[in-house]
Amino acid sequence: SQQGEEDPQALSIQEGENATMNCSYKTSINNLQWYRQNSGRGLVHLILIRSNEREKHSGRLRVTLDTSKKSSSLLITASRAADTASYFCATEGQAGTALIFGKGTTLSVSS
Amino acid sequence: NAGVTQTPKFQVLKTGQSMTLQCAQDMNHNSMYWYRQDPGMGLRLIYYSASEGTTDKGEVPNGYNVSRLNKREFSLRLESAAPSQTSVYFCASSEQGALNEQYFGPGTRLTVT
Repeated sequence: SQQGEEDPQALSIQEGENATMNCSYKTSINNLQWYRQNSGRGLVHLILIRSNEREKHSGRLRVTLDTSKKSSSLLITASRAADTASYFCATEGQAGTALIFGKGTTLSVSS
Repeated sequence: NAGVTQTPKFQVLKTGQSMTLQCAQDMNHNSMYWYRQDPGMGLRLIYYSASEGTTDKGEVPNGYNVSRLNKREFSLRLESAAPSQTSVYFCASSEQGALNEQYFGPGTRLTVT
């Protein structure tokens, strides 16, 4: 069963704009992770935020976590065409030994 | 340092045939995973191995078996392939369960006719 659920399912923006994706989850977590998948490729880890953290930055990425609302957001600032990809959030399932992924947000950035 | 490698990259099977998907990692990770990805379904966990010598079922284990051959290698076997198993299969590894980031292989595209 899906632990995390991303919103929106698809997002289209112009280069230079910001992109925001959201993730909601159901049970308490130790951490939440975001991954990117370029078409036809494996997933690449972007950022991990622990349950005691509220915000984390990595380059143009900003992730927030609100454990009271069981939600997280991923913000990509100043988007580029190369950011076109699917983005997934992942949280723990299976007694903390495996990650469960959401269905993803497909981001399209046009130049 | 190759990371996570998978073989083969592509495979076409007829219904009822068997095959084994191979996965290896060179990062000395304890945990390894097999996922399948279907359009609109995201990634679904098939089996995982939290540590060498252990394997456990994930969300969609029916029709599959796994072997954690050693710390480096984790194989996925389809004993009697069915068209419903047409999918892209990803292997991944992590240092220790869900506490750390996962590293993914490039995937195997399997078509069952």
